[in-house]
Amino acid sequence: GENVEQHPSTLSVQEGDSAVIKCTYSDSASNYFPWYKQELGKRPQLIIDIRSNVGEKKDQRIAVTLNKTAKHFSLHITETQPEDSAVYFCAAVPNRDDKIIFGKGTRLHILP
Amino acid sequence: IAGITQAPTSQILAAGRRMTLRCTQDMRHNAMYWYRQDLGLGLRLIHYSNTAGTTGKGEVPDGYSVSRANTDDFPLTLASAVPSQTSVYFCASSWTSGGDGEQFFGPGTRLTVL
Repeated sequence: GENVEQHPSTLSVQEGDSAVIKCTYSDSASNYFPWYKQELGKRPQLIIDIRSNVGEKKDQRIAVTLNKTAKHFSLHITETQPEDSAVYFCAAVPNRDDKIIFGKGTRLHILP
Repeated sequence: IAGITQAPTSQILAAGRRMTLRCTQDMRHNAMYWYRQDLGLGLRLIHYSNTAGTTGKGEVPDGYSVSRANTDDFPLTLASAVPSQTSVYFCASSWTSGGDGEQFFGPGTRLTVL
């Protein structure tokens, strides 16, 4: 079955700098890659997603890139702000009949 | 109700006891899911339901059961709780099944099994 690896497990960046979180997946049939953000004590919420027919997607300060050949996808946050501090989960879905597989999460700290 | 709710918010349970975690959504979503979240392990799928009347096993189904008698409700039952089931449990729902599409999570239930 699908396996999703996420790195790093913890990331600290200075406010205003960029943050990058990387994930790899094992199943070449995966075609949907969402990213969820979970603030402390809160529920996970979808922030951005990408499908396998697209290489990059942007939404204001966040962007996701997908390299299907290498089976890599990454989350990029620019001009980081204190409210970006959270745990971020990547995920992959092999096909419409399979279930979403999450990475283990990255705890992002934005330093003042 | 607006969205997806879970009950109880938290619970301390003696090992061996039976426990049902409740989940209700009013968005008329077809699919519903149960996850457990443990430190360093992310979100792991326990059981899912693509539509009312059907259920399926996720990554970590052992020790848990679910039912989906109607669209709105998706309870999770621990027949005989064990300490390794101490975790935060999240219910989620989505319009589409198969994990393809945004999932809306409930607020979670923190369960401690002693």
